[in-house]
Amino acid sequence: SQKIEQNSEALNIQEGKTATLTCNYTNYSPAYLQWYRQDPGRGPVFLLLIRENEKEKRKERLKVTFDTTLKQSLFHITASQPADSATYLCASEAAGNMLTFGGGTRLMVKP
Amino acid sequence: NAGVMQNPRHLVRRRGQEARLRCSPMKGHSHVYWYRQLPEEGLKFMVYLQKENIIDESGMPKERFSAEFPKEGPSILRIQQVVRGDSAAYFCASSQTLPSRGGSSTDTQYFGPGTRLTVL
Repeated sequence: SQKIEQNSEALNIQEGKTATLTCNYTNYSPAYLQWYRQDPGRGPVFLLLIRENEKEKRKERLKVTFDTTLKQSLFHITASQPADSATYLCASEAAGNMLTFGGGTRLMVKP
Repeated sequence: NAGVMQNPRHLVRRRGQEARLRCSPMKGHSHVYWYRQLPEEGLKFMVYLQKENIIDESGMPKERFSAEFPKEGPSILRIQQVVRGDSAAYFCASSQTLPSRGGSSTDTQYFGPGTRLTVL
């Protein structure tokens, strides 16, 4: 069955470092991947979309890559700040073009 | 431009009662999606609606759950005879256009703040 997975363990990094989060998918080939940010008690907020024919996408301090060989997307936050602490979700389209989400990875940036 | 609105933000029900969750999409959006998020889990798709039509309900339990998006008014997710396992955060999202295989900016989904349902 189609799966989209993220590391469930929290990622703890020091302020100023680059945070790298991983999203892996199996048994299908999504046309795109999306990344969302979710703060406690709030709904997800859309950050970036990357299509299968795009290797890399950037938005301010954010960078997303899409490797169709490895079946993986990496999400980078450069010069991380404590305000970047949140859970980050990756998502792709599944059957019927509906979104399917990974379980999310919690990022903690320490000052 | 107001975002997606959901109410109530918190809902407490006793087992066997009914829960009604409301979602008003962003202005100009006619596509609505409902998701459920259990504690420490990811979002699970439940149902996709356009005005007056259910397009995809493949993620919604067959019993006790129903959804509607009337011509006028918000979308409603109804859970009848709630059980403790229904306790979760329910999120609504809306998009301007229908989901496409290639993914475009107009079918990006914007989420509401969620309704946290607690079943006692």
